[in-house]
Amino acid sequence: QKEVEQDPGPLSVPEGAIVSLNCTYSNSAFQYFMWYRQYSRKGPELLMYTYSSGNKEDGRFTAQVDKSSKYISLFIRDSQPSDSATYLCAMRGAGGTSYGKLTFGQGTILTVHP
Amino acid sequence: EADIYQTPRYLVIGTGKKITLECSQTMGHDKMYWYQQDPGMELHLIHYSYGVNSTEKGDLSSESTVSRIRTEHFPLTLESARPSHTSQYLCASSELAGGMLQETQYFGPGTRLLVL
Repeated sequence: QKEVEQDPGPLSVPEGAIVSLNCTYSNSAFQYFMWYRQYSRKGPELLMYTYSSGNKEDGRFTAQVDKSSKYISLFIRDSQPSDSATYLCAMRGAGGTSYGKLTFGQGTILTVHP
Repeated sequence: EADIYQTPRYLVIGTGKKITLECSQTMGHDKMYWYQQDPGMELHLIHYSYGVNSTEKGDLSSESTVSRIRTEHFPLTLESARPSHTSQYLCASSELAGGMLQETQYFGPGTRLLVL
């Protein structure tokens, strides 16, 4: 069983829709949770970074972490065609040998059509 | 935009050839990483480095080797390429910020390798 599970989609939504992307994980040691966005033929870029449980908002993006359920989400409000990309969740434990070593989900392909 | 560069961007090569994938960053980051990414699959860490003369193998077994002689440079070498090495290779570097809690990994654009 994979440590991080992410629905690969693909997900296709109309412009302006609210998008929900999710990951589940099995390792209770994970403390830091990230969402990366990867455009075609580019490397991933960090979108959101959350420590432990809770919500974090940045513009149209909201990241949620529920450690009790081992479930993280990324919401995109008022989605735009420029949001079309692959979204990867990533996570790691706190310090020690897990420092810097991220475990990734397989990514969800999102297409926002005009 | 992150200042991390990878060359070549695309490489088609025959079986048995030796290849080196280059990665350089100008941000002065101590930590650097190599990931392997296949279509529709998660990124797998194959090598990482905590600084000059420090290299470690990642979670995914790889026949490649790395070196870290300079802070800014982290090349990956395959001594004898095989079709099973066909993949995308992503290089990254990281820094700590936000009171040492937030770590941001910056990725290069990747090298797409095809071994015939």
